[in-house]
Amino acid sequence: KAGVTQTPRYLIKTRGQQVTLSCSPISGHRSVSWYQQTPGQGLQFLFEYFSETQRNKGNFPGRFSGRQFSNSRSEMNVSTLELGDSALYLCASSRDGETNTGELFFGEGSRLTVL
Amino acid sequence: AQSVTQLGSHVSVSEGALVLLRCNYSSSVPPYLFWYVQYPNQGLQLLLKYTSAATLVKGINGFEAEFKKSETSFHLTKPSAHMSDAAEYFCAVRKNSGGYQKVTFGTGTKLQVIP
Repeated sequence: KAGVTQTPRYLIKTRGQQVTLSCSPISGHRSVSWYQQTPGQGLQFLFEYFSETQRNKGNFPGRFSGRQFSNSRSEMNVSTLELGDSALYLCASSRDGETNTGELFFGEGSRLTVL
Repeated sequence: AQSVTQLGSHVSVSEGALVLLRCNYSSSVPPYLFWYVQYPNQGLQLLLKYTSAATLVKGINGFEAEFKKSETSFHLTKPSAHMSDAAEYFCAVRKNSGGYQKVTFGTGTKLQVIP
């Protein structure tokens, strides 16, 4: 069973540009969550999508957005990039429903560097 | 509100020594608790989870954690550290957010294993 796949793994952008990151969850998982990881702030929750709907959102500015497609694949977009957006962006998928214990399955992340 | 606190951002142990990573939770109801491990340049991987079935939980790679309600703790231990255990470890709790489950992570503890 394939794991969570994130693309691209590494990317470099300049301030003011925008970026789109992609995440393919484990087959059968309908929930996709995004996290930002930085040395100073640790792991911070961005948002969660389930069945193409955002049902949880962290405390990030509107420059950070996401969406989920009917096949559960998800993308996140960051517009007007700032230096502080340099981070490892992690995607995690999970099962959902009555038996869900909350276990998350993570991809290897997309490391974004903003110059 | 449910959250977790990890004591010690960095822990160093000698190879073969006991590993003890501390995690305390705040919760008004029995929580679902997790420990994840992150190796350099990788995503997070589940080590073990507590879902109220048993207070002593055994995970992968020889790790285990004990849920102690009286101390609101869920410390991670391993009897004998191995060089390959060097990584960052995150404690996490599942909590309700807007009627749905959301996983919140602690700030992480970097484990260094000294040969």
